[in-house]
This record gives sequence, structure tokens and C-alpha cells, in this order.
Amino acid sequence: QSVLTQPPSASGTPGQRVSISCSGGSPNIISNTVHWYRQLPGSAPKLLIYRNNQRPSGVPDRFSGSTADTSASLAISGLRSEDEAVYYCASWHDMVSGLVFGGGTKLTVL
Amino acid sequence: QVQLQESGPGLVKPWETLSLTCTVSGGSISSSSYYWDWIRQPPGKGLEWIGSVYYTGSTYENPTLKSRVTMSADVSKNQFSLTLSSVTAADTAVYFCASKRGGIMTGYEESWGQGMLVTVSS
Repeated sequence: QSVLTQPPSASGTPGQRVSISCSGGSPNIISNTVHWYRQLPGSAPKLLIYRNNQRPSGVPDRFSGSTADTSASLAISGLRSEDEAVYYCASWHDMVSGLVFGGGTKLTVL
Repeated sequence: QVQLQESGPGLVKPWETLSLTCTVSGGSISSSSYYWDWIRQPPGKGLEWIGSVYYTGSTYENPTLKSRVTMSADVSKNQFSLTLSSVTAADTAVYFCASKRGGIMTGYEESWGQGMLVTVSS
């Protein structure tokens, strides 16, 4: 069981806005900043959002990140079929003294 | 962004030692901007951080694996390496190397290797 909790699945229709949560249960987790990765089947993860809400160059502004209290969220607007993937949050965990990943959320575009 | 490529045996016998190397191109592992990560993913499961190594040789390991993990960096070859001892079937996974940009606590995995499946079986 992951220290960071994500819903196992999420879904939406093309054009819709979806949000994926990442709950840490401890202020220390979120205070160290949260990063988001997207993994397509058979591929390596790719950085999507870093340090809570920063987008790497090349990532469209349809993707946004936010944090509040002990949780973080990834929002995807204007959903597209190619957004179907598994999304992971990650953050440094002070109590574990290591990087922890959420369990991943499989996004389905209906 | 740098490019990374994992290499090593794809099959390891139980209780033996897994050894992988990550070759970095397009940048130097002696850059002060990066740590170098090992992350694994068992078939059909999520991601697990194994550890991070800095070019100076300092390391941070996942506490659950620390007793079996050794990491090192070879600046002359622009490579970093992982050994995992006493492997069992539970260590069967795709192993990724990645570049962590920024500090050890606030850094993020900017680039990833394609991953390498390592199977533990006799």
C-alpha cells in the first residue's frame, strides 16, 4: 500500500475536465512538493508537473497541478483520447526519508 | 535534457546479485544539478524508488531495500550503477534509471531511461 493515496481509476469524455487526487496524510509530504508523471502502456513514465504546479516545456497548459492542506491534485482539461494513461504522483517523505509514489490512477477516456 | 540507457543481464538466478548500469548521454553525471535515480516497476504494478546517487558517491536508499542495495557513479564513463543482492522473484521488475533535477528532497525525475525487464528465475 502506497504512502501517497490515489484513486485507482478515473474517467471522462473528450473535452471534459478531470481531476486526480493524491493524498499524503501528513503535512511533511506535501510541503516537500509533489510531482506528477504520466505512463503510457509499455513506456517509461514522463514528467508532467513538477514542484506542485510547474509544467516542463512541451507539456500543454491543459495540464495543471495544485496542492491544498495534505493533498495534491492534477487537473486535465479538454480531455483527449491520447490522455489515456496511468498517472502517478510522487513526493519526498520525511518520515521514510525517501521518495514515494502514489499507487497510480488509470485514466480512461470514454 | 539528458538521455539514459539501462544495461545488464535480463535474467538473474534467485539469491544471486542483480547488476545494472545506466549510461548517460547529452550531459555529464558530474553536474551539480542532478542526482541519479533507480526506480523499478513489478509487472502490472506501480513505481517503487530504489535510491539516488550523486556524482560524488553519496547515496540515498529506500529503507526497505537499503540492506541489499549498492549504488555508485563513474564520472570517467558517465555511468552510474546499481547492485541488488540476494534477489528473489519479488525483485522481478522493469528497472528504470532517471535523472533527478534539483535537490534530493524537492527534485523531480526529469528524464527516464526506456527501462529494462529483469527476471529472477532459476
